[in-house]
Amino acid sequence: DSGVTQTPKHLITATGQRVTLRCSPRSGDLSVYWYQQSLDQGLQFLIQYYNGEERAKGNILERFSAQQFPDLHSELNLSSLELGDSALYFCASSVDSGTGRGETQYFGPGTRLLVL
Amino acid sequence: GDSVTQMEGPVTLSEEAFLTINCTYTATGYPSLFWYVQYPGEGLQLLLKATKADDKGSNKGFEATYRKETTSFHLEKGSVQVSDSAVYFCALSAGAGGGNKLTFGTGTQLKVEL
Repeated sequence: DSGVTQTPKHLITATGQRVTLRCSPRSGDLSVYWYQQSLDQGLQFLIQYYNGEERAKGNILERFSAQQFPDLHSELNLSSLELGDSALYFCASSVDSGTGRGETQYFGPGTRLLVL
Repeated sequence: GDSVTQMEGPVTLSEEAFLTINCTYTATGYPSLFWYVQYPGEGLQLLLKATKADDKGSNKGFEATYRKETTSFHLEKGSVQVSDSAVYFCALSAGAGGGNKLTFGTGTQLKVEL
């Protein structure tokens, strides 16, 4: 158990809908990262938040947005869903001491999203 | 941009065989390098890491050495077990621009048979 929790574990929805994925980081970790794992794109970084503020952005679609709340949990919002958004979405957390050197990211179990 | 290249899988080995999974990278500066493992139905777990050239990461019998001259971080294990069957991901973190995002390779599936 990494200490990172994600809900829900599975999500089935229809095209055009909007969903919210939730992540609680390990106790004491200030950074939260979101990754998407799909068969065709592999594991891709979406976005990072540090202590409530956006720190880095990757290949995140404009239809997707995220935020980190004062209690450090994070939510990833996916809207106007398309079939191609079906994937496994992982959240990870790290202490992020600011050195940027080899800090371990701890991954949650993921949310499997299926868009029908 | 940064990238990681891993050998294609699946790799099928007999128990107690020697394992090598190749990983090479392209990055500006001096990235940190990682191997993560994903067991069926689970999230990713850190297996080992190295943060500077010539560092050797090791854990649970697995080893990898950060080779700057060949931009490689190959994963090795002397004697694999059935329980090592999983998907292995090589990754780097360049740590530039204030972010610590991980750039992953495509993953290599390992199957170990009795």
